Amino acid sequence: GENVEQHPSTLSVQEGDSAVIKCTYSDSASNYFPWYKQELGKRPQLIIDIRSNVGEKKDQRIAVTLNKTAKHFSLHITETQPEDSAVYFCAASESQKLVFGTGTRLLVSP
Amino acid sequence: DTAVSQTPKYLVTQMGNDKSIKCEQNLGHDTMYWYKQDSKKFLKIMFSYNNKELIINETVPNRFSPKSPDKAHLNLHINSLELGDSAVYFCASSQTGGDGYTFGSGTRLTVV
Repeated sequence: GENVEQHPSTLSVQEGDSAVIKCTYSDSASNYFPWYKQELGKRPQLIIDIRSNVGEKKDQRIAVTLNKTAKHFSLHITETQPEDSAVYFCAASESQKLVFGTGTRLLVSP
Repeated sequence: DTAVSQTPKYLVTQMGNDKSIKCEQNLGHDTMYWYKQDSKKFLKIMFSYNNKELIINETVPNRFSPKSPDKAHLNLHINSLELGDSAVYFCASSQTGGDGYTFGSGTRLTVV
């Protein structure tokens, strides 16, 4: 079955810096890769997603890139703000479900 | 107007008890899921139903029994609760194939 690895597990940056979170997946049949943000005590919420026929997608300060050959995808956050502090999860689709990475705790210091 | 709603939000109970968590979605999605999030924040799928039919059962102890009376509702009943069952349980729904995955607000279960 699908296995999703996510790095780093924790990431500390200064406000205004960029943050990059990387994920790899194992199943070449996966074709949908969403990213979720989970604030403390809240539900995971979709922030951006990408499909396998696209190499890059951007939405304001966040962007996702996908390399199907290497089976890895990344989340890029520019001009980070304290409210970006949260746990971020990548995921890959497999047979009608999403398999999640282990999460990255991002801390943005003012 | 909440898209995926779960009740209760908090549940504290003693070992050995039986408890239920309810989930409802108003998104018109065909598929519903239960995920368990442990203290390390790992999100692990437990069950999935598509149009009331069980399609995923990820080696969960048979003390856990999901029930889907219709495609908008998915409940989780847990018998003989154990300390290790303490976690946050998230319900989610999506279109068939995984599009539009939306989580409920979670149920924090504490077994004492």
